[in-house]
Amino acid sequence: QSVLTQPPSVSGAPGQRVSISCTGSSSNIGAGYDVHWYQQFPGTAPKLLIYGNNNRPSGVPDRFSGSKSGTSASLAITGLQAEDEADYYCHSYDYSLSGRVFGGGTKLTVL
Amino acid sequence: EVQLVESGGGLVQPGGSLRLSCAASGFTIRSYGMHWVRQAPGTGLEYVSAINSNGDRTFYGNSVKGRFTISRDNSKNTVYLQMGSLRPEDTAVYFCARVGVTYGPYELWGQGTLVTVSS
Repeated sequence: QSVLTQPPSVSGAPGQRVSISCTGSSSNIGAGYDVHWYQQFPGTAPKLLIYGNNNRPSGVPDRFSGSKSGTSASLAITGLQAEDEADYYCHSYDYSLSGRVFGGGTKLTVL
Repeated sequence: EVQLVESGGGLVQPGGSLRLSCAASGFTIRSYGMHWVRQAPGTGLEYVSAINSNGDRTFYGNSVKGRFTISRDNSKNTVYLQMGSLRPEDTAVYFCARVGVTYGPYELWGQGTLVTVSS
């Protein structure tokens, strides 16, 4: 049971927009801690996709965007491409646990 | 090239010990907090441990507290994870990651090293 809740899977056709939610609580996202997102392909290390709720590292396409409101955050991907098929994880800090927390991960399938 | 390289994984019996290393190259770790994250087969990411830039503060996830110890040697540009009293549920790929600011993202990851706890 992950502290941050994500849907296990989402899917969309090429060119479409998909959104992945990340629901936390008052001790993590709701307490004001930043949310970060990672993309992971099978057998490889995660890669930073979004940091500080809505910032993209250099090299990440602007098709990827993040947002945060209250105790939740969201990752949006527009203009879906086959190469976007991967697992996505949200990440934050929880003060009641005094440590980092992750969402359970969402598998994105491009139809 | 800026990178992190983990080593030290392998097969260990339940109750045994193992020490993982995370060697940095292309940058100096003394400016960064360093974390360990693990991923059991077919599952998601789990925070394991963290150490601040000068090594005087350490943190652990509840599932490893009292059994694992994180340390760093800034002169060797390396971070360690000493794992003890290992259990089958500790079986996972262990990644080290670099953090630039407090509560900041894992901006750089290693490729991971597999630890298998089994008799």
